[in-house]
Amino acid sequence: NAGVMQNPRHLVRRRGQEARLRCSPMKGHSHVYWYRQLPEEGLKFMVYLQKENIIDESGMPKERFSAEFPKEGPSILRIQQVVRGDSAAYFCASSLDSFLGGYTFGSGTRLTVV
Amino acid sequence: LAKTTQPISMDSYEGQEVNITCSHNNIATNDYITWYQQFPSQGPRFIIQGYKTKVTNEVASLFIPADRKSSTLSLPRVSLSDTAVYYCLVKGYGGSQGNLIFGKGTKLSVKP
Repeated sequence: NAGVMQNPRHLVRRRGQEARLRCSPMKGHSHVYWYRQLPEEGLKFMVYLQKENIIDESGMPKERFSAEFPKEGPSILRIQQVVRGDSAAYFCASSLDSFLGGYTFGSGTRLTVV
Repeated sequence: LAKTTQPISMDSYEGQEVNITCSHNNIATNDYITWYQQFPSQGPRFIIQGYKTKVTNEVASLFIPADRKSSTLSLPRVSLSDTAVYYCLVKGYGGSQGNLIFGKGTKLSVKP
């Protein structure tokens, strides 16, 4: 079991470009969560998805950010027209259900906007 | 979701036992307490979870008093590799709120 796989590990984008971050959950996990972490800060929740459904997007910025978890394939976090303030580490986690046990996190995607 | 308060940082030496206490005064009846560990440039790693009294696994112990308004993560005989940030979280069971709320955590530095 390879765990939660995130790619790319590092992503550099120019201002105004689009960033697409991918997350493959652990095998058998149908719950996916995206978090953002700024340097020296804790993780900030962004969105919680199950297959084909967004359950909680209360942490997502209102504009430019979107997330999906299709029936087939990885979950995608998309950031359109990136700005320097979007530079951060983005972590994906998955779980078997929304509560029991812990969440398994990936190693993250470090986005740098230049 | 209950808010948690924990020390910003702690120092220790190799071989010592480290206890990190977390306050969660407004914890709800259906909330569980969970601790995560995070190394630089890595995602958090689940350590332990509990509801009341004491829970122990191969990595740590979690002590929760009867009123559940606080909890203590105990790391026995720490080594240099235990240097990390430790997060205390509380989360309720059920409902559509699947997210964990992370604070700034406790930065543990283990010295030789």
